[in-house]
Amino acid sequence: DQQVKQNSPSLSVQEGRISILNCDYTNSMFDYFLWYKKYPAEGPTFLISISSIKDKNEDGRFTVFLNKSAKHLSLHIVPSQPGDSAVYFCAAKRIPGNQFYFGTGTSLTVIP
Amino acid sequence: GAGVSQSPSNKVTEKGKDVELRCDPISGHTALYWYRQSLGQGLEFLIYFQGNSAPDKSGLPSDRFSAERTGGSVSTLTIQRTQQEDSAVYLCASSNLEETQYFGPGTRLLVL
Repeated sequence: DQQVKQNSPSLSVQEGRISILNCDYTNSMFDYFLWYKKYPAEGPTFLISISSIKDKNEDGRFTVFLNKSAKHLSLHIVPSQPGDSAVYFCAAKRIPGNQFYFGTGTSLTVIP
Repeated sequence: GAGVSQSPSNKVTEKGKDVELRCDPISGHTALYWYRQSLGQGLEFLIYFQGNSAPDKSGLPSDRFSAERTGGSVSTLTIQRTQQEDSAVYLCASSNLEETQYFGPGTRLLVL
């Protein structure tokens, strides 16, 4: 049972434009959310996180938005750069808790 | 400092053979996770080690899978009597906090 879902397997965006990656979850007990970025042949790298007490967290070009009532989070990348081309995974967990639940990933291509 | 390392980077084996996958976490990290990613799937949690506590094995798919962590550092994931459906990328991650994990590059396992 997939508790974290990324319904768009791929996304293409023009360089300089905004990239919006979406993630939905089913477990209302999740209270910590993360985005990871993965290049081919490498492990995922942590990008940005948000706890359930916030609805927005910003780090440079990356902003994560959380809508708890809709059980939805999104990652905005502005402006998008070709180096942002990668697979992006969202993940969720309960705190305290051991287990992270990952989505299936969205492959982002930023076109120069 | 050095990140999480995994070996081997690639492993090809015959159905029915046993394999051992190794993970060297970041020094000082108390938590260690194993995940696998099958083709087209998200990251599937396998097992979690935290300090000297009993590991959380709830994600192991069958009793052919086992893992140990010696001295609170290096971990080995063992798959006995491998099956073709075990083919996947096996990822290890370590953490010193509940919130953020740092991943290794993964071991790509192919069972023929």
